[in-house]
Amino acid sequence: QKEVEQNSGPLSVPEGAIASLNCTYSDRGSQSFFWYRQYSGKSPELIMSIYSNGDKEDGRFTAQLNKASQYVSLLIRDSQPSDSATYLCAVNQGGGSYIPTFGRGTSLIVHP
Amino acid sequence: SAVISQKPSRDICQRGTSLTIQCQVDSQVTMMFWYRQQPGQSLTLIATANQGSEATYESGFVIDKFPISRPNLTFSTLTVSNLSPEDSSIYLCSVERGTSTDTQYFGPGTRLTVL
Repeated sequence: QKEVEQNSGPLSVPEGAIASLNCTYSDRGSQSFFWYRQYSGKSPELIMSIYSNGDKEDGRFTAQLNKASQYVSLLIRDSQPSDSATYLCAVNQGGGSYIPTFGRGTSLIVHP
Repeated sequence: SAVISQKPSRDICQRGTSLTIQCQVDSQVTMMFWYRQQPGQSLTLIATANQGSEATYESGFVIDKFPISRPNLTFSTLTVSNLSPEDSSIYLCSVERGTSTDTQYFGPGTRLTVL
């Protein structure tokens, strides 16, 4: 059974701080890793994808992947109240599979 | 990314009736997916809609309850049959897109409430 674990939160950070969201996964053969943002009442929106160990930066977002530890994280720098949402981690085994396993999501609250 | 539309955006239905949800994509895609997201929960895959063949259902989901059509490469429907309050949920269609073809993009969702 493939599992993707996230702390449900809420994670509360002050505006301007760094928010750190974490995700662990059980399938050691996983190849692709995604972070989605989901505002209340809306559908998930892709933020980042990462495939190799290390860091990948896109604007204020940095995804970090450590396959040996089966761990992927998302850092949000200079957090804004508009970043308040649920962040879903998704992991895909790859090898032609198009179907990721989603975590339950971490609720992030950025307070002014 | 992909532009995906769903209809209806929300509906309130009576127990025992059915609801058909439509999903339209702005360009041809090989695979379309239907998910359910119950309140406070993550996404659960219902089935993969394949053009020209039967949908592939995940464990716990059956064709009689969730019939799916995929008449072409830009359109799919999901019907939720014999509705019960437990079917109240958000239903999302998604498509795979990306350089590695394993990135999924979601439609806006259909919020279903069953009374």
